[in-house]
Amino acid sequence: KAGVTQTPRYLIKTRGQQVTLSCSPISGHRSVSWYQQTPGQGLQFLFEYFSETQRNKGNFPGRFSGRQFSNSRSEMNVSTLELGDSALYLCASSSQTWTGMNSGNTIYFGEGSWLTVV
Amino acid sequence: AQKITQTQPGMFVQEKEAVTLDCTYDTSDQSYGLFWYKQPSSGEMIFLIYQGSYDEQNATEGRYSLNFQKARKSANLVISASQLGDSAMYFCAMRAGTRGSQGNLIFGKGTKLSVKP
Repeated sequence: KAGVTQTPRYLIKTRGQQVTLSCSPISGHRSVSWYQQTPGQGLQFLFEYFSETQRNKGNFPGRFSGRQFSNSRSEMNVSTLELGDSALYLCASSSQTWTGMNSGNTIYFGEGSWLTVV
Repeated sequence: AQKITQTQPGMFVQEKEAVTLDCTYDTSDQSYGLFWYKQPSSGEMIFLIYQGSYDEQNATEGRYSLNFQKARKSANLVISASQLGDSAMYFCAMRAGTRGSQGNLIFGKGTKLSVKP
């Protein structure tokens, strides 16, 4: 069973540019979440998509956006890149979204996309 | 507010020995899940073990076990028979909240484990 696949693995962008990162979840998983990891802020939740709908969003500016396709693949986009956007972006896959119950649905992560903004 | 605290920034362990990584959590919700992940320098976040708040037995997965003490709000990870490949960052995370809340993972700051030969 293939894991969570993220592309590209590494990329370098210039300030002001925009970037699109892609995530293919585990087959059968419909929930895709994105997290940003930086040395200073640690791991922070960006947003979650489930069945092509954004379910939740973290505290990030509107420059960060995403979408999910009918095959559950997801993309996230960052426009007008800033130096502070340099980070590891992790995609997570789960079979269900949070229901408020004690869900045992494990959340699996991909290898991440390392973004450097210069 | 929901919070995960990992008080050990770094730990050393001798190969083949057991090691415990500490994690305490704070939530007012009754229903929540606790996760441990391993992150090597490559960046991939590898799922290790899960414990639900209503699970009465401590979770185990191979060499990993979770010492869950609900009253103390702690969920320590125990790695038995450490191997050199266990050297990595380890993150404790929690998913909590009532229906309609975000339910996203909240992470601790991590513990860097170094296994010595």
